[in-house]
Amino acid sequence: DAKTTQPNSMESNEEEPVHLPCNHSTISGTDYIHWYRQLPSQGPEYVIHGLTSNVNNRMASLAIAEDRKSSTLILHRATLRDAAVYYCILRDPPPNSGYALNFGKGTSLLVTP
Amino acid sequence: KAGVTQTPRYLIKTRGQQVTLSCSPISGHRSVSWYQQTPGQGLQFLFEYFSETQRNKGNFPGRFSGRQFSNSRSEMNVSTLELGDSALYLCASSSAEVNTGELFFGEGSRLTVL
Repeated sequence: DAKTTQPNSMESNEEEPVHLPCNHSTISGTDYIHWYRQLPSQGPEYVIHGLTSNVNNRMASLAIAEDRKSSTLILHRATLRDAAVYYCILRDPPPNSGYALNFGKGTSLLVTP
Repeated sequence: KAGVTQTPRYLIKTRGQQVTLSCSPISGHRSVSWYQQTPGQGLQFLFEYFSETQRNKGNFPGRFSGRQFSNSRSEMNVSTLELGDSALYLCASSSAEVNTGELFFGEGSRLTVL
């Protein structure tokens, strides 16, 4: 799988938007961009994923660059509960490639009141 | 519906012993994968099972093994435990019929090797 690059850490104030960047310059045409997050003392949880177009769900928005070499996870109003490690992961769609995810180091998001 | 259940949640073993961890996936999910999480290496993929067959395997020694039963429940086993095996072991399940690739993780089994 192609690799991703994320900042080690970011900080945000509560109730402000947060933009978490991810670079993936070697992304292939079939790679989907997945985001997961891991809250303290919990297993990772799915946040959002996309291929080419921007995506929105109840948790977040995913903005994908036109050349697909970067993407940004957007939390519209950060809450204290959003403090977590956020992982940007590239995956070929299952079932052909299996369900293994290559977690990198992720971005540790700190949210302050 | 019930989430992914892992047992036991915490366990302590000594070097040389072996351990078996269990994972019950979400009902209807046929894919189960295992990950090891340590502070130094982060989350690393161990193996993935689908319909009782190992489909993918990560870069871990043969002391780490797993299996999946006909009801999709899975177990992983670590033999001849080493101090470095102390970690949080996470199980995730997924439905092969849904083409989102979304994994649902359990809360993990925290293993301490003394």
